[in-house]
Amino acid sequence: QQQVKQSPQSLIVQKGGISIINCAYENTAFDYFPWYQQFPGKGPALLIAIRPDVSEKKEGRFTISFNKSAKQFSLHIMDSQPGDSATYFCAASISNAGGTSYGKLTFGQGTILTVHP
Amino acid sequence: NAGVTQTPKFRVLKTGQSMTLLCAQDMNHEYMYWYRQDPGMGLRLIHYSVGEGTTAKGEVPDGYNVSRLKKQNFLLGLESAAPSQTSVYFCASSYSRGFFYEQYFGPGTRLTVT
Repeated sequence: QQQVKQSPQSLIVQKGGISIINCAYENTAFDYFPWYQQFPGKGPALLIAIRPDVSEKKEGRFTISFNKSAKQFSLHIMDSQPGDSATYFCAASISNAGGTSYGKLTFGQGTILTVHP
Repeated sequence: NAGVTQTPKFRVLKTGQSMTLLCAQDMNHEYMYWYRQDPGMGLRLIHYSVGEGTTAKGEVPDGYNVSRLKKQNFLLGLESAAPSQTSVYFCASSYSRGFFYEQYFGPGTRLTVT
């Protein structure tokens, strides 16, 4: 049972364009939603994360939008660059405030982003 | 400060063989995790540990065993490898940042079972 569903599987964007990746979750106990970035041959690395008490979080060109009622969240990459080409994973977890799950993450299926120059 | 390291980087096994993957972290993190990554499936948690001497099952534990005899090391064992265990294995460690835990991943081990 995939508790976090991610789309699209792959995405091709031109340099300077906006990349949008969407995720939906089922477990209402989730209260921490990170995004991870993975380059070929490397492990995933934390990119940006959001808590459900805010609807949006921005860090540089990366923005998470969160819709608690719809149980959906998305990653927007503004002014996409070839260096952003990577696999992106959304994830969900239960935080310490929610009773803790010892940091265990439930990942989405991943999106392969290609930014053409 | 090497972060999270994994040994080996690549391995090819025949069906039925056994092996152990080693994960080491030098960040003094309490929690450690083993994930497997398969195309179209994301990363799935195999086992995790909340401290030295403790382990627990994750989402896909069958066919794997783990041990955490030292705080800095987390071992993943395959007693009798099967082709279905062909995957890329990632180890991670984390610490509490108050509200949440930030996980740091190793570079992965690519395992092929023929």
